[in-house]
Amino acid sequence: DAGVIQSPRHEVTEMGQEVTLRCKPISGHDYLFWYRQTMMRGLELLIYFNNNVPIDDSGMPEDRFSAKMPNASFSTLKIQPSEPRDSAVYFCASSFRWRGRGRLIGNTGELFFGEGSRLTVL
Amino acid sequence: KQEVTQIPAALSVPEGENLVLNCSFTDSAIYNLQWFRQDPGKGLTSLLLIQSSQREQTSGRLNASLDKSSGRSTLYIAASQPGDSATYLCAVIPSGGYQKVTFGIGTKLQVIP
Repeated sequence: DAGVIQSPRHEVTEMGQEVTLRCKPISGHDYLFWYRQTMMRGLELLIYFNNNVPIDDSGMPEDRFSAKMPNASFSTLKIQPSEPRDSAVYFCASSFRWRGRGRLIGNTGELFFGEGSRLTVL
Repeated sequence: KQEVTQIPAALSVPEGENLVLNCSFTDSAIYNLQWFRQDPGKGLTSLLLIQSSQREQTSGRLNASLDKSSGRSTLYIAASQPGDSATYLCAVIPSGGYQKVTFGIGTKLQVIP
């Protein structure tokens, strides 16, 4: 069973360039999260989606950051224009709710992470 | 605002030793708590998930406990091995929604052969 898949694993770009990070959540998961990890600040939630709809984007640092989820199996995080301070590891994670006969049964809230995309902006 | 603290920040032990990693949180209104392992340059691998109604969870040599009233969770690793060397993070998932998931900075563990 494939986990959360992210691409690219590594990205080196120059300041001012556009960066697009991609994520494929685990099939059947209806929550998708974008996190950023740095040595100074640890893991920070940037934005999360439920059923492809953005629920909370209050962690997105600036208007230069945008995220989309056009369908249940794909999401992108875009930085335009990129700056050196955006250098970090960006993680995608997904989670799910249990349903039976159309009703919500339970939700462990367990998070499943991808391998991350290491971004370096020169 | 929930705050999660992990002590110690780093730990070095000889192979075979039993050890305890600590995670403290300030708001006891949690939904569950999740322990992760992160290897250098890798993503977070889920180790154990403890729901708020549970007091502990076990997986192999790992045992995690949860005491909501005192705001503490511990991860016990028995008979440590060099392959256990990694950074261990705890995450507190509140009942208020995913946007409030709070991660600790982690404990970097080194097991010396």
